[in-house]
Amino acid sequence: EAQVTQNPRYLITVTGKKLTVTCSQNMNHEYMSWYRQDPGLGLRQIYYSMNVEVTDKGDVPEGYKVSRKEKRNFPLILESPSPNQTSLYFCASRLGLARQFFGPGTRLTVL
Amino acid sequence: QKEVEQNSGPLSVPEGAIASLNCTYSDRGSQSFFWYRQYSGKSPELIMFIYSNGDKEDGRFTAQLNKASQYVSLLIRDSQPSDSATYLCAVRNTDKLIFGTGTRLQVFP
Repeated sequence: EAQVTQNPRYLITVTGKKLTVTCSQNMNHEYMSWYRQDPGLGLRQIYYSMNVEVTDKGDVPEGYKVSRKEKRNFPLILESPSPNQTSLYFCASRLGLARQFFGPGTRLTVL
Repeated sequence: QKEVEQNSGPLSVPEGAIASLNCTYSDRGSQSFFWYRQYSGKSPELIMFIYSNGDKEDGRFTAQLNKASQYVSLLIRDSQPSDSATYLCAVRNTDKLIFGTGTRLQVFP
């Protein structure tokens, strides 16, 4: 089944404790991206990647890192999480300019 | 001015009625337009896309695009309680997809 997977789905952590949210897709898509969704602010893009080893900042990249060493994986790294990074995170992928597929989401709480 | 604007709602319609959801965008160079449906706590799923001026129909859904007015809409005919969700408008310009904040639709029996 074609899908985007994310792990973990739920995470509660404390300020400053490094964490990684994994994202994987099995559709051989070139383009992958990370969004965060907050009430009243909608979906905002954090980082995106056009292909392996090619990443770029989205609208809200501060406090986040990404890497794209393989086509299928695009992990999101929070080196020192803070409470304002409490949010619902979505990974997405697409082939070229075609439809975008979203992962199931990761609900992160930073205490 | 936000790049993609939607009324947050909620928009309440009775079962069987037509729901009309609207979206305006600021960038005249925008090339394609998408409507996503998002149930509470779930990920967005694509329900319609449109590239050219005019109407595009798919089952109970019709997307309408007017590039001169920078306006895109989604009509849902014969609304069902299962259509109750937040509808996100998204606009693509080159590689970037920009989302509105969504309109919450409530269909009551």
